[in-house]
Amino acid sequence: GESVGLHLPTLSVQEGDNSIINCAYSNSASDYFIWYKQESGKGPQFIIDIRSNMDKRQGQRVTVLLNKTVKHLSLQIAATQPGDSAVYFCAEPQGAQKLVFGQGTRLTINP
Amino acid sequence: DAGITQSPRHKVTETGTPVTLRCHQTENHRYMYWYRQDPGHGLRLIHYSYGVKDTDKGEVSDGYSVSRSKTEDFLLTLESATSSQTSVYFCAISETSGQETQYFGPGTRLLVL
Repeated sequence: GESVGLHLPTLSVQEGDNSIINCAYSNSASDYFIWYKQESGKGPQFIIDIRSNMDKRQGQRVTVLLNKTVKHLSLQIAATQPGDSAVYFCAEPQGAQKLVFGQGTRLTINP
Repeated sequence: DAGITQSPRHKVTETGTPVTLRCHQTENHRYMYWYRQDPGHGLRLIHYSYGVKDTDKGEVSDGYSVSRSKTEDFLLTLESATSSQTSVYFCAISETSGQETQYFGPGTRLLVL
């Protein structure tokens, strides 16, 4: 089975609010994590990544937090906009040559 | 889509016919991947390539074969399509390692009747 999982399959937020999408992983040796965004009818798009020597990394309106103690990472989206509606995946390496992906969380934005 | 194209973008075919999907990249990346995406299953790896003529199986490789005769092209073939292979197929690339970020193509939607 997949070592990467998501707490919630769907998340609904008000436009302008902050969104938090969570991901749990089982391999304590994992040292790299990636977040993807997939809009309807499109391929997954890289958002942000983080290595295990960091607890936090910020991008444009997005922040990824890594808690190695509980093997949990989260993606925070500030001031959520309609264009943020998508499915969000986390991923981590599996062995030397592959990534394993979570099922995804669908984020919907209420006007 | 990071210099990745897939063709065709949509295809309808009949059970038992062979189908070939093409992935083309302009990034000169070493690794290329084929995934299928189905409701309730997420992204599942079919086959991947770590260099020209170097390929290996993923978790759902039965019924699929691949070829990579040059860096920029990675072909996925369904030897005899079945209805269970109806899916959306994504190609992905990564630069130098399978442990790096992968960049995805736009996908091919395949319907097998």
